[in-house]
Amino acid sequence: ETGVTQTPRHLVMGMTNKKSLKCEQHLGHNAMYWYKQSAKKPLELMFVYNFKEQTENNSVPSRFSPECPNSSHLFLHLHTLQPEDSALYLCASSQERAGGSNEQFFGPGTRLTVL
Amino acid sequence: AQKVTQAQTEISVVEKEDVTLDCVYETRDTTYYLFWYKQPPSGELVFLIRRNSFDEQNEISGRYSWNFQKSTSSFNFTITASQVVDSAVYFCALDSYNFNKFYFGSGTKLNVKP
Repeated sequence: ETGVTQTPRHLVMGMTNKKSLKCEQHLGHNAMYWYKQSAKKPLELMFVYNFKEQTENNSVPSRFSPECPNSSHLFLHLHTLQPEDSALYLCASSQERAGGSNEQFFGPGTRLTVL
Repeated sequence: AQKVTQAQTEISVVEKEDVTLDCVYETRDTTYYLFWYKQPPSGELVFLIRRNSFDEQNEISGRYSWNFQKSTSSFNFTITASQVVDSAVYFCALDSYNFNKFYFGSGTKLNVKP
């Protein structure tokens, strides 16, 4: 595997389900990101992890719970979601999160539908 | 305030036409980086270019060129002799060094028709 991979690519869940999105990067990077992309707000940064530590949480509801066990893996745990949470969830990584300069490499995304 | 504005929501051109995608940014930081990303229908954002605030040289890469002008806070992207494969959503982004914040514009959807 190369680059940034995300699984699953598509997910349909009910509002009472619990599911997790997985992201893995094979680039030796130290920073990882979760973005939400929907029709209303094209790209919203949700969380940032730098060297496994969460450095940004952009007022994301607690029904989204990130986890970063190591620099290569990032999870997004989902529970009791709402239909408006349906979107494309993108994971990205960069060398580190150091105030600029590092371009981000993106995965293909998970298309989430909440019924 | 810090933000990125891509005023063109959608542009349609015919193949071989030149097209310019506009990006205007706003930041209080003196050190920042500007990016362009391409998102084809498959969904994965692809990095195209990074430019730092101290380098106003324009850049050309094949059919792609970028015009960075600090005086107008713009970082425009031109595709010369567009092709159908250029059809995608293009995002401009700003990364502020001192505020350690990353901002994406709302994107411009480019449709290149044969």
